[in-house]
Amino acid sequence: DGGITQSPKYLFRKEGQNVTLSCEQNLNHDAMYWYRQDPGQGLRLIYYSQIVNDFQKGDIAEGYSVSREKKESFPLTVTSAQKNPTAFYLCASTDSYSNQPQHFGDGTRLSIL
Amino acid sequence: QKEVEQNSGPLSVPEGAIASLNCTYSDRGSQSFFWYRQYSGKSPELIMFIYSNGDKEDGRFTAQLNKASQYVSLLIRDSQPSDSATYLCAFYNNAGNMLTFGGGTRLMVKP
Repeated sequence: DGGITQSPKYLFRKEGQNVTLSCEQNLNHDAMYWYRQDPGQGLRLIYYSQIVNDFQKGDIAEGYSVSREKKESFPLTVTSAQKNPTAFYLCASTDSYSNQPQHFGDGTRLSIL
Repeated sequence: QKEVEQNSGPLSVPEGAIASLNCTYSDRGSQSFFWYRQYSGKSPELIMFIYSNGDKEDGRFTAQLNKASQYVSLLIRDSQPSDSATYLCAFYNNAGNMLTFGGGTRLMVKP
């Protein structure tokens, strides 16, 4: 089945630790996105990538890093510089044409130990 | 001024009624608008998108767009308890590459 796979579903981070969230898609989409959602809030854009080996900062990129070495994969690293990482992280993808609907993976819930 | 304004709710309607959800936005250059449904603890699911002024119907859902007044609305006819969720509106920036989300409206449909 075509879709977006995020893993793990739940992740715990210790103080000072970097953690990486995985996002893989087999929809042949060019554009991929990472969002953060805090309880009772909307989604906020962290990073996005419209083509392999290129990515752009969103509204809240500080404390996060990404890579886009393959079209199918867009991992997000939550670094120790992100002091409040507890949130629901969502990955989305879409065709490269502008203004297209985005479709989401099932999300990763990150908590601090 | 926030880019997207949604009443956080909860909006409570009886089963079988019409639920009306509204969203206003500030970016006059926006060309495309989306409604997502999000059940508690789950990821958002696209239910409607609209690009032109006027109404767009899909089953029990109707999206309405008024670019002059900068609002987009979602009507859910014959509301069911399974429609109880948070509804997020979203729109693209002028370049069509960054989606901005509202905070969502929580809808409760009571049997």
